[in-house]
Amino acid sequence: DTGVSQNPRHKITKRGQNVTFRCDPISEHNRLYWYRQTLGQGPEFLTYFQNEAQLEKSRLLSDRFSAERPKGSFSTLEIQRTEQGDSAMYLCASSKDRLLSYEQYFGPGTRLTVT
Amino acid sequence: GQQLNQSPQSMFIQEGEDVSMNCTSSSIFNTWLWYKQDPGEGPVLLIALYKAGELTSNGRLTAQFGITRKDSFLNISASIPSDVGIYFCAGQQGNTNAGKSTFGDGTTLTVKP
Repeated sequence: DTGVSQNPRHKITKRGQNVTFRCDPISEHNRLYWYRQTLGQGPEFLTYFQNEAQLEKSRLLSDRFSAERPKGSFSTLEIQRTEQGDSAMYLCASSKDRLLSYEQYFGPGTRLTVT
Repeated sequence: GQQLNQSPQSMFIQEGEDVSMNCTSSSIFNTWLWYKQDPGEGPVLLIALYKAGELTSNGRLTAQFGITRKDSFLNISASIPSDVGIYFCAGQQGNTNAGKSTFGDGTTLTVKP
């Protein structure tokens, strides 16, 4: 399977703990995106990378959130000092670098529950 | 910020019926994407639209890019039980924010056998 993969699929953590999620994009895709989705809502953009460069961050991405993409391959999203409001599905997507239009392919997501 | 309004919010139809849903915005988008999401999974890309007025099909699905570039439509013909899920539209502006998709809140489709 050459799709986007995410690990773990589920994470339960206690408030105040740090968590880290991993995303492996489709191999020939040089753009990688992180979105957050809460129940009954569509995905909300958090940040994206072109290769290893982080090109945009949403205001939703507080200073407790950090994302990296070393070497332009897989990416990690870390949440420090988790809060109950961080409970959501965290989705990763990847796309080719195409002029003006980007077909984004999503992974299965990591569901975070903060207790 | 930008918002995409999807309607209807939910639909209950009989197997074999056709379905129409739409997505509107106050902002212009240069790309429209339609996704389907099953419970506990990520969205799956169904159709991508790149030009105003464009009509694109993928099997029983047909989507259109509105002429004003502020709306898009998705039709499903002869629905079957596996069409059940949440359908999302997403728009991209294709400028410096080219990497960012703005999503609607989805249309939940239920198909009764």
